[in-house]
Amino acid sequence: AQSVTQLDSHVSVSEGTPVLLRCNYSSSYSPSLFWYVQHPNKGLQLLLKYTSAATLVKGINGFEAEFKKSETSFHLTKPSAHMSDAAEYFCVVSSLNNDMRFGAGTRLTVKP
Amino acid sequence: NAGVMQNPRHLVRRRGQEARLRCSPVKGHSHVYWYRQLPEEGLKFMVYLQKENIIDESGMPKERFSAEFPKEGPSILRIQQVVRGDSAAYFCASSPLPASYNEQFFGPGTRLTVL
Repeated sequence: AQSVTQLDSHVSVSEGTPVLLRCNYSSSYSPSLFWYVQHPNKGLQLLLKYTSAATLVKGINGFEAEFKKSETSFHLTKPSAHMSDAAEYFCVVSSLNNDMRFGAGTRLTVKP
Repeated sequence: NAGVMQNPRHLVRRRGQEARLRCSPVKGHSHVYWYRQLPEEGLKFMVYLQKENIIDESGMPKERFSAEFPKEGPSILRIQQVVRGDSAAYFCASSPLPASYNEQFFGPGTRLTVL
């Protein structure tokens, strides 16, 4: 069985400061891990994915995430937040048998 | 290139009526996934279909809900005799290969309100 936990339901940062959205996972298999972003009233868009290649993954819009097997974590970071980053972010764990689990989401607020 | 299209975007039904949600995947994608998002919650997997076949329906309620993905035409999620608890956003996603290790492309969702 797999599961994913997003440790913060809401994160608030000031524009220009770093962003850290935390995700821990549990998986019996070698997992794939994804981060998706959802803007209000829109569908989800892929930010980045990890599929057993490089452990530091770079995504769109300046986001990156590091797969740490020893910590079972896949935290999402960005050096400098922009107002347009305000959205809901979902961490997803998946494995070979199509068992996909979404985290509950983290709402990112960016203050001017 | 058209992305995943869902219609209607908003659907209002009274208790006991039927809701039919349609999803047209990205052209060439044969794998379709349906998710439900309740207010203040993440997405919950409902069903995975691959042209004319249901691959995994472990997330679908056993009663009143059904899904299909015919050879021609969109995928349909059907909810019979809707209840207030069915009010949610329903998202469809598609992928060219099984989504285990691949990106899913999401539609904008259908927001169902049951009065």
